[in-house]
Amino acid sequence: ETGVTQTPRHLVMGMTNKKSLKCEQHLGHNAMYWYKQSAKKPLELMFVYNFKEQTENNSVPSRFSPECPNSSHLFLHLHTLQPEDSALYLCASSQTVDRVETQYFGPGTRLLVL
Amino acid sequence: GNSVTQMEGPVTLSEEAFLTINCTYTATGYPSLFWYVQYPGEGLQLLLKATKADDKGSNKGFEATYRKETTSFHLEKGSVQVSDSAVYFCALGSSASKIIFGSGTRLSIRP
Repeated sequence: ETGVTQTPRHLVMGMTNKKSLKCEQHLGHNAMYWYKQSAKKPLELMFVYNFKEQTENNSVPSRFSPECPNSSHLFLHLHTLQPEDSALYLCASSQTVDRVETQYFGPGTRLLVL
Repeated sequence: GNSVTQMEGPVTLSEEAFLTINCTYTATGYPSLFWYVQYPGEGLQLLLKATKADDKGSNKGFEATYRKETTSFHLEKGSVQVSDSAVYFCALGSSASKIIFGSGTRLSIRP
């Protein structure tokens, strides 16, 4: 148990559906992240939030829409996805202590787009 | 820019064998170095870290020493178990950039 929870753990959706992924951290961290992990590809950073403000968007298609209502919660809203968006979506949060940032990950949401 | 290179997998070993997974890095300044582990069906878990040269991180029998002279942070364990089968990620963090992850090394341990 890392202190970062994600729901749902598994999701199957059609290309015309709208769904949302939820992440919650109980660690008091101020930064949160979305990553995409596809088979046989490196971990891809999607979005970064610091103190609820988006500080990084790594050229992610607009069919992925993040939302960070407070420092403990992060959402990823999904609409009109493509089959190639099927992947494991990981949420992380981080703290910086003595200038060292350490990230803690949730268990991920396994997404299948049909 | 900063980067991390770790050995290609998969790595297959017998139980109780000695493990080394190589990781080298390129960075300006004084980065922090991490090893994360991902068990099947789960997210990444922090395994150990080191924040300055010559520091040794250790956890669950795994060790890695921050070697500035060789820009390396190799992961070692003296006697692996079947339960160590997972994917291992080396990572680098610095004040100038977000954490950068290596491509991961899959480890399989035979009983």
